[in-house]
Amino acid sequence: EAGVAQSPRYKIIEKRQSVAFWCNPISGHATLYWYQQILGQGPKLLIQFQNNGVVDDSQLPKDRFSAERLKGVDSTLKIQPAKLEDSAVYLCASSSRTSGSSYNEQFFGPGTRLTVL
Amino acid sequence: DAKTTQPTSMDCAEGRAANLPCNHSTISGNEYVYWYRQIHSQGPQYIIHGLKNNETNEMASLIITEDRKSSTLILPHATLRDTAVYYCIVRGVQAGTALIFGKGTTLSVSS
Repeated sequence: EAGVAQSPRYKIIEKRQSVAFWCNPISGHATLYWYQQILGQGPKLLIQFQNNGVVDDSQLPKDRFSAERLKGVDSTLKIQPAKLEDSAVYLCASSSRTSGSSYNEQFFGPGTRLTVL
Repeated sequence: DAKTTQPTSMDCAEGRAANLPCNHSTISGNEYVYWYRQIHSQGPQYIIHGLKNNETNEMASLIITEDRKSSTLILPHATLRDTAVYYCIVRGVQAGTALIFGKGTTLSVSS
């Protein structure tokens, strides 16, 4: 079974530039998550999709971050304009369980390491 | 905020058992304990989860105290490849609930 794919793996930009990350979840997984992981900390949820609808975006800085999941499969996360504090690893995860189950293993991609100069 | 408390770091000799503790004193009756680990430059990986009974799989064992206020993840024979950050997460039963990560425990396995 193919894992969660993310691209690019690394990105270096200057502040105020824009950047986009792409995620392809495991086939058939209805739920997709984007996490931000700052160096030395655990991942923090930015946004969660169920199919192509947003379930939780309460921690997404909406003035500069946006995300979409067209057709309920691939997803893109965009930052515009980037700030120095956005330097982090951006992780995408997906899971298959939708309801009625306590078991909801999330499968993570390798992440995109963003450096903002 | 994370609902768990873990030591910042631990060391273990290769081949010995690694016992990683986690305190979750405010856990509610319908919340599970999950463990994930993150090897350097990779995304987190699911290890095991449990409600109140001890659990074992091919990777590890999870021991949950009777009052459910703490738990221990056991790697029975640690190898160098087990060097990673280990996250203990308390999570509700509702499917699709996102994970709330703390800082985890950095386990260093040495030969």
